Amino acid sequence: DTGVSQDPRHKITKRGQNVTFRCDPISEHNRLYWYRQTLGQGPEFLTYFQNEAQLEKSRLLSDRFSAERPKGSFSTLEIQRTEQGDSAMYLCASSLRVDTRGETQYFGPGTRLLVL
Amino acid sequence: QQQVKQSPQSLIVQKGGISIINCAYENTAFDYFPWYQQFPGKGPALLIAIRPDVSEKKEGRFTISFNKSAKQFSLHIMDSQPGDSATYFCAASAGGNQFYFGTGTSLTVIP
Repeated sequence: DTGVSQDPRHKITKRGQNVTFRCDPISEHNRLYWYRQTLGQGPEFLTYFQNEAQLEKSRLLSDRFSAERPKGSFSTLEIQRTEQGDSAMYLCASSLRVDTRGETQYFGPGTRLLVL
Repeated sequence: QQQVKQSPQSLIVQKGGISIINCAYENTAFDYFPWYQQFPGKGPALLIAIRPDVSEKKEGRFTISFNKSAKQFSLHIMDSQPGDSATYFCAASAGGNQFYFGTGTSLTVIP
């Protein structure tokens, strides 16, 4: 399967613990996005990368959240000192940016986080 | 502030009927409008997308109607089938950067 993959698919943690999620995009895609989705809501933008450069972060993103894409391939999203409000589905998407117009994003299956 | 407003929140349609979902936006810089379909436990999957230089785009049973002056766009699903039962999201972006999603419409197609 050459789609976007995410690991783990499910994560249960206790409040105050750190968690890290991984996203492997479609291999030739240069853009990678992270979103958070809560029940009954649409995906909420967190941050995105073009190659290894992090181009934009949501103003809503707490400083407990950090993302990296060290070699322009896979990406990790870390949440430090988790809170119950962090419980959500974390989605990764990738796309191939060729010009300044919008391009198709392909989403992974998501990582469902539950903070107890 | 919700950049893209979507309605209705839920929709029930008979098999063979037409499902219509609407979205509205304010930011005139938006230039790309995709629709996504999401099944429970899965990530969203692109259905169809439109740019503001056309007023309509059709792919199979799915049609996007776009009204630039009203800043509205809608998804029409013709001949709706039970397998279409899912949550549908509209989205918008400016220059292909940050994407803003609507709150979703839960569609149920009754056999």
